[in-house]
Amino acid sequence: EVQLLESGGGLVQPGGSLRLSCAASGFTFSSCAMSWVRQAPGKGLEWVSAITGGGGDTYHADSVKGRFTISRDNSKNTLYLQMNSLRVEDTAIYYCAQGSAAARPYYFDHWGQGILVTVSS
Amino acid sequence: EIVLTQSPGTLSLSPGERATLSCRASQNFGSDYLAWYQHKPGQAPRLLIYGASRRAIGIPDRFSGSGSGTDFTLTISRLEPEDFAVYYCQQYGSSRAFGQGTRLEVK
Repeated sequence: EVQLLESGGGLVQPGGSLRLSCAASGFTFSSCAMSWVRQAPGKGLEWVSAITGGGGDTYHADSVKGRFTISRDNSKNTLYLQMNSLRVEDTAIYYCAQGSAAARPYYFDHWGQGILVTVSS
Repeated sequence: EIVLTQSPGTLSLSPGERATLSCRASQNFGSDYLAWYQHKPGQAPRLLIYGASRRAIGIPDRFSGSGSGTDFTLTISRLEPEDFAVYYCQQYGSSRAFGQGTRLEVK
């Protein structure tokens, strides 16, 4: 059974930093691209960042480019999202999502339960 | 950049009725790389359909997807109580954009 467990969320002040983690199990982690997708309060799903199975290529939405960095440790079956210079508008539930392949094109086979990040003073 | 527009924004139906949800792309992305997800409050989103019409593992056959080019449809043939949720389409070829969602609510 595929399991994706996010951690590291919480309350942070504007301009602060936070690192999210996603512990994966139940599948061959290195064979799957991974992404972070978020949902702001009252809004829809927004893709944030993606990384290929091997970790060699990363992609970020324009809204987070230069502030967020996605990475992975395939030896630990863990996905990360380093979030710097956080803004109030980054407040959202952040989901870890498993891609159906190591690289594009892929849909999201499985999702974690999500972790709340609140940016507020 | 491809923009996906879902309609209607909210759909009010009763259990047992048929639901038809639309997803229109701003340009023809020349493939069937279109997925549908179901999302309930407090839960992880769930993959329903990929490749425009292929049901994901474990998805009941009352869910079906169709379409090509710029117009795609998710149909739920007979609504069950557990089907009331928000539904998103996503183009996963050249972009990873989601539509804004359709809320399916009990009438």
